[in-house]
Amino acid sequence: QLVLTQSPSASASLGASIRLTCTLSSGHSNYAIAWHQQQPDKGPRYLMKLNTDGSHTKGDGIPDRFSGSNSGAERYLTISSLQSEDEADYYCQTWGTSGVIFGGGTKLTVL
Amino acid sequence: EVQLVESGGGLVKPGGSLRLSCAASGFTFRRYNMNWVRQAPGKGLEWVSSISSSGSHIYYADSVKGRCTISRDNAYNSLYLEMTSLRAEDTAVYYCARDYCSGGTCYRLFDNWGQGTLVTVSS
Repeated sequence: QLVLTQSPSASASLGASIRLTCTLSSGHSNYAIAWHQQQPDKGPRYLMKLNTDGSHTKGDGIPDRFSGSNSGAERYLTISSLQSEDEADYYCQTWGTSGVIFGGGTKLTVL
Repeated sequence: EVQLVESGGGLVKPGGSLRLSCAASGFTFRRYNMNWVRQAPGKGLEWVSSISSSGSHIYYADSVKGRCTISRDNAYNSLYLEMTSLRAEDTAVYYCARDYCSGGTCYRLFDNWGQGTLVTVSS
């Protein structure tokens, strides 16, 4: 069964970098995903499509501070030079035979 | 600029019905698959339903199958979700979202979202 696993929470200091992880379930390491950001009391915002080769296509207006990469079944979202507005929930998303799948989300706190 | 604007949410009693709409602009609506996603209060994102660009292929999450009907009107650049037999657990903000398409290929990944409409099921 296709499942995306994310840590519930993460934190880092203002100006630092952080890498968030989304792990594909066993046997599904060749899936592309999308990363979405949801700031408090706002709708989700598409950040990027992350391909199986590690290349990524960002949405309009997404700063260069946001990047994506892969390692095996793990999909990463790296945010550098953290700013206060980066404090948000981050979701990964993919799809399979049973439909569209979201990870549980990671709540990022900027200290 | 791509815009997706949902409407139709509100307070409804258990067992009641509601029809959500999503008005699309800023892109060629008839070329894109579209989706509904919901988010219960304090919870994560949950996919609800998808419809292909022509409306010929439709998919539902098990949690709403048999109670929801997705449809679209390409002449009016609009997406709909008809919900019946509503339950308390259907209480959520409902978002419409567009599939990501590139180079003639579309993926069931969402590259644009609306702001959402709140559905509250309560007596």
